[in-house]
Amino acid sequence: AQKVTQAQTEISVVEKEDVTLDCVYETRDTTYYLFWYKQPPSGELVFLIRRNSFDEQNEISGRYSWNFQKSTSSFNFTITASQVVDSAVYFCALSDQETSGSRLTFGEGTQLTVNP
Amino acid sequence: NAGVTQTPKFQVLKTGQSMTLQCAQDMNHEYMSWYRQDPGMGLRLIHYSVGAGITDQGEVPNGYNVSRSTTEDFPLRLLSAAPSQTSVYFCATWVYGYTFGSGTRLTVV
Repeated sequence: AQKVTQAQTEISVVEKEDVTLDCVYETRDTTYYLFWYKQPPSGELVFLIRRNSFDEQNEISGRYSWNFQKSTSSFNFTITASQVVDSAVYFCALSDQETSGSRLTFGEGTQLTVNP
Repeated sequence: NAGVTQTPKFQVLKTGQSMTLQCAQDMNHEYMSWYRQDPGMGLRLIHYSVGAGITDQGEVPNGYNVSRSTTEDFPLRLLSAAPSQTSVYFCATWVYGYTFGSGTRLTVV
């Protein structure tokens, strides 16, 4: 069975601080996909990134970066120079090869609060 | 291009009542799904469809029915609402990543 653990339930930082959201996953598949989604206070869900299990290169998109390490089954998400608008719940998710991401197992989410 | 449209946004039901949550998409995506979101539990898959006429169960299908007569629409039916179905419901389509609707907040009293 697949499982995603986001051990940090809530994180509070001051604006301009860097913050890392942890994600640890469990799967028996050799091919799988990992995702991050953002849910701001308005409630919608926003797709941030998809990564397959064969691509361990770190990715950077503006202030966002992702560190994928198969050896530790982790897919951590870092926000550099955080801003108040980054305040949201962030979900990590996992899917298997068969579904190629169309059926996701979500973590419980991390509530990030960025204070001015 | 509206993306994924869910209606209603809010609903209060009495135990035992039935209702249908509507989901429509205008992106011609084959794959659609329904998730529920409960506090501290992330999102859990209820039902999904890989195309018109094809549906299957997800992780928490009990108490819900779906059908997919067209590519555009994927309604979720609660036949006899229970307080345990109080949740926020999200419809989504899938291509490379999910495109979610804005959600329906359902309260069963």
